[in-house]
Amino acid sequence: QVQLVESGGGVVQRGGSLRLSCAASGFAFSTYAMQWVRQGPGKGLQWVAFISFEGSNKFYEQSVEGRFTISRDNSRNRLYLQMNSLRPDDTAVYYCADHLIRGPGTAVTVSS
Amino acid sequence: AIQMTQSPSSLSASVGDRVTITCRASQGIASSLAWYQQKPGQAPKVLISDASTMESGVPSRFSGSGYGTDFTLTISSLQPEDFATYYCQQFDDNVLTFGGGTKVAIK
Repeated sequence: QVQLVESGGGVVQRGGSLRLSCAASGFAFSTYAMQWVRQGPGKGLQWVAFISFEGSNKFYEQSVEGRFTISRDNSRNRLYLQMNSLRPDDTAVYYCADHLIRGPGTAVTVSS
Repeated sequence: AIQMTQSPSSLSASVGDRVTITCRASQGIASSLAWYQQKPGQAPKVLISDASTMESGVPSRFSGSGYGTDFTLTISSLQPEDFATYYCQQFDDNVLTFGGGTKVAIK
């Protein structure tokens, strides 16, 4: 059974950095593209970033381009999201996904 | 990016009612559509994937249908635990996109 467990969230000041992690199990992680999705307080679901199965192709939502970096370690079945220059509007619960959201998410709060 | 238009954005219904939520994609996505249920303070829960395949443990009163651009989630007899917000999501494209959500409230 597919399991995705996010971690690394927390409270950070404007301009700060966080690194999110997603532990994957129950499927052939190294053969799947992966994504990050977020949900701001009281808002809908928003795609954030994409990485191809081998890590060579990456795409970002426009508002995070240049600040966030998606990466993966296929030897450890791990997906990452390095978030720099954080802004209050980045406050959200962040979920990793293969093509579906399956984990509890990790909450990021950016204070001003 | 593929746009997902979900309707209605909210509805009021009574226990036992049949409820239908629709989702339209801006371009054809074959069967690459999922439906989620989300309750306050919880992560979204996958109900249906591939437009009509129910996830394990999902009650049979939930069903999904559609192909291409038009999709439907039906709850055949609404139960108290079904009051929640529902989202559709396409995964045909590398950029996942979601409907705006439908909040199902008690009448």
